[in-house]
Amino acid sequence: GAVVSQHPSRVICKSGTSVKIECRSLDFQATTMFWYRQFPKQSLMLMATSNEGSKATYEQGVEKDKFLINHASLTLSTLTVTSAHPEDSSFYICSAKFPSHEQYFGPGTRLTVT
Amino acid sequence: GESVGLHLPTLSVQEGDNSIINCAYSNSASDYFIWYKQESGKGPQFIIDIRSNMDKRQGQRVTVLLNKTVKHLSLQIAATQPGDSAVYFCAENILGQAGTALIFGKGTTLSVSS
Repeated sequence: GAVVSQHPSRVICKSGTSVKIECRSLDFQATTMFWYRQFPKQSLMLMATSNEGSKATYEQGVEKDKFLINHASLTLSTLTVTSAHPEDSSFYICSAKFPSHEQYFGPGTRLTVT
Repeated sequence: GESVGLHLPTLSVQEGDNSIINCAYSNSASDYFIWYKQESGKGPQFIIDIRSNMDKRQGQRVTVLLNKTVKHLSLQIAATQPGDSAVYFCAENILGQAGTALIFGKGTTLSVSS
């Protein structure tokens, strides 16, 4: 199946700094990518929908100024956690939607804010 | 809002047994359902999907059953193996709404002992 990569796989940052996470679709063009957050022993919660060339659509309760999403090309979406705090520590997972309906997930990025 | 849930948070089985994992969904408009397997520290892995015009679909050692009358979805794993130990999520989508994200249920942790 299609491959979606994320970079970095793990990141530790200090409180107040910003962290950028990249999501790439490696063998297909994804007009739509999604960002999810997963806390320990919980399900995946949709944060935002990222469409190539347009502004992201954020879910209720997700601060767009804190979680900046850029989808500059059909194969790359980035999530920047600005002014990170310990409560932002989580597992961030992206997915890319195939032109049909299949959705492929990245391996996730573990963010730890100290 | 919450649209997909699971009946049991954990399921423990012996190797070789058949496993049944259940899921209830609440959005009557959903017409596409997927089961994912997630191992610790990894992204969700596609297992099997089913569209609402079907009530059963079989894969290799897995079967998904869909009961639209009671909005219930189940995943059956035959001859469960230790490698099947993971968290299983059901997810729902509406195929006619392009660009919509999958909504995930809470997850069931499957533990297989040998």
